[in-house]
Amino acid sequence: QSALTQPASVSGSPGQSITISCTGTGSDVGGYNYVSWYRQHPGQAPKLLIYDVSNRPLGVSDRFSGSKSGNTASLTISGLQAEDEADYYCNSRRGTTAVVFGGGTKLTVL
Amino acid sequence: EVQLLESGGGLVQPGGSLILSCAASGFIFRNYFMRWVRQAPGKGLEWVSTINSHGSSTDHADSVKGRFTTSRDNSKDTLYLQMSSLRAEDTAVYYCVKAVIVGVTSGYDYWGQGALVTVSS
Repeated sequence: QSALTQPASVSGSPGQSITISCTGTGSDVGGYNYVSWYRQHPGQAPKLLIYDVSNRPLGVSDRFSGSKSGNTASLTISGLQAEDEADYYCNSRRGTTAVVFGGGTKLTVL
Repeated sequence: EVQLLESGGGLVQPGGSLILSCAASGFIFRNYFMRWVRQAPGKGLEWVSTINSHGSSTDHADSVKGRFTTSRDNSKDTLYLQMSSLRAEDTAVYYCVKAVIVGVTSGYDYWGQGALVTVSS
C-alpha cells in the first residue's frame, strides 16, 4: 500500500503561517472526508490535531486548521511557535476498509 | 483520565508469535473503535488494523493480513493483537489507539505508550 504524498520538509519563522500538503487519489483523500493530521515530537506518541478533514479535537489550538480540495488535503499552522517543530503525518481512509498514512513532513521552526 | 496501557512486547525469532494487549481505562471502551498503529525505528507511521466497537468487524493492512488478528474483550476493556509468522520487517513500536468520537472517524486521539516488538534471531 503506497503512502500518501507529503513534502519531506517545510520550514517557517516564528509567527508565520505554513501549510503542509497531503496528496492522494480519488480512492482515498479525494473519495472520503476521512482525513486526519498528527504531530509527533521525537520519542513521543503522535498527537491528533485534525480529524475528518477539518475538525479539531477538544484542547487543540485553533492555530491548526485542515482543509481538502480534490485529492489533496492540507494542514495549516498559523502563528508558528518553537514547539511546533516536529514531524507531521496525514492519514486517510482508502477504499472501504483500509487506512493509509502519509510519509511524514519534518517542520523546522527557524 | 483516558489511559491505554500496552503489554506483551519483546524479542521474538522470525516465524514466531506474540500477543499484544492494551488495557483501556477512563472511557467507555465498548463505545469506541480502536486501532493498532506501528512505527518501525526511525520510520513513519503505519496503520496495522481497525476494530469496530462491538468487535464484530476488523480490517488489517495488506502487510499483516493473514498473519495478525485483532480482537477485543469489552467485558475486560482490553484490545488484543495476535501476531504470528513474524518477520524482521514487523519490528516496530506498536501503539494502541482510541477513536476520537463514537462511530466511524479518521481521528484517533489517545495513544498508548507503545510496545516494542523486535523480530530477530
